[in-house]
Amino acid sequence: GIQVEQSPPDLILQEGANSTLRCNFSDSVNNLQWFHQNPWGQLINLFYIPSGTKQNGRLSATTVATERYSLLYISSSQTTDSGVYFCAVVRLTDSWGKLQFGAGTQVVVTP
Amino acid sequence: DADVTQTPRNRITKTGKRIMLECSQTKGHDRMYWYRQDPGLGLQLIYYSFDVKDINKGEISDGYSVSRQAQAKFSLSLESAIPNQTALYFCATSDAKGGTDTQYFGPGTRLTVL
Repeated sequence: GIQVEQSPPDLILQEGANSTLRCNFSDSVNNLQWFHQNPWGQLINLFYIPSGTKQNGRLSATTVATERYSLLYISSSQTTDSGVYFCAVVRLTDSWGKLQFGAGTQVVVTP
Repeated sequence: DADVTQTPRNRITKTGKRIMLECSQTKGHDRMYWYRQDPGLGLQLIYYSFDVKDINKGEISDGYSVSRQAQAKFSLSLESAIPNQTALYFCATSDAKGGTDTQYFGPGTRLTVL
């Protein structure tokens, strides 16, 4: 199956700092999503971004499909940004939408 | 996402008991999924369904069964619960017709098997 690697595994930020999370994948994809899992366990959709760049408030994401990676940018971080960020992909050759998740990046934003 | 609901939200049960987790969606999506998440890990797919008559096993289906009662409802059963099925369970939906097949997740059910 497709391998999804996220880095770094853990990140500690001071409020107001910027950060970049990375997702590498081992095969061509036709679906890539970024999720935020908050401390209560809820999974929140951030971006659907199999290619290109998108922005939503303080968050933005870029996927370079030809080089098999995606980046999630958090600017001016807030304590509410704490949680785990997951990247998940669907391999291009899959005939259905099986999302393969990475192990996540645990983010802690301190006041 | 409030359009995808799961019941119960928390459940504690004993080894050997049969448990059913329910998922309902008002998004009108045709595809539904069940995932489990173990502490500190990503999500693994248990079962998925593309419509009422199409149900498929995921990567970790042993010990689980599902029922797609209607387009909007997808239930997961643990026939005889065991402690290593203690996990956070998520239901998800997607709609391939829109071209993106973005998956939307319910709030999760935290299951503890003693």
